[in-house]
Amino acid sequence: DIVMTQTPLSSPVTLGQPASISCRSSQSLVHSDGNTYLSWLQQRPGQPPRLLIYKISNRFSGVPDRFSGSGAGTDFTLKISRVEAEDVGVYYCMQGTQFPRTFGQGTKVEIK
Amino acid sequence: EVQLLESGGGLVQPGGSLRLSCAASGFTFSSYAMSWVRQAPGKELEWVSVISGGGGTIYYAGSAKGRFTISRDNSKNTLYLQMDSLRAEDTAVYYCAKGLTGTTDFDYWGQGTLVTVSS
Repeated sequence: DIVMTQTPLSSPVTLGQPASISCRSSQSLVHSDGNTYLSWLQQRPGQPPRLLIYKISNRFSGVPDRFSGSGAGTDFTLKISRVEAEDVGVYYCMQGTQFPRTFGQGTKVEIK
Repeated sequence: EVQLLESGGGLVQPGGSLRLSCAASGFTFSSYAMSWVRQAPGKELEWVSVISGGGGTIYYAGSAKGRFTISRDNSKNTLYLQMDSLRAEDTAVYYCAKGLTGTTDFDYWGQGTLVTVSS
């Protein structure tokens, strides 16, 4: 199974400041079709997960442009350009390149 | 508007069975792969199983293989998860999730249903 490792596990951020979360996979996420299936999800307290980014850097419908994704191969990053109060929650990376699908441990974003 | 509504969760004894359902609306159900993902209390997400739009392709996580069965009824726009031989470690909120076209990602998630396995 592909292991997804996120850092940090907790990220206290000042409102209006940027935040960055790293996700590393134990093997390359480049699929045989040439795509890299790495996505980012947000889970607000008491809510189901919500898709933010798919295929490394594509924002899903309705996701604010302060969220951006980047990376390649085994190293990926989610950035929030200016954290807002509604961004509090746990963020997960997920690989969809190989079965079983696997998630990172989650990174908790909280306001300082 | 896409809506996914899970049901069927509850308290069950170890070794027991439960069938979860996920009623879908707001999209052409038969055109999309559907998955089950679970989350134990205070833990990270764990993918359980996926079924293709037509039902002909199915994959399971190792923890589910041989005990869980995913299925779908496209005439009823409903996804199912039959869970047998349940264990304490299966205790979790179970979410159904819709596949995103052209990717292997999940674009919409239900609110989840809680399964508790305990004597």
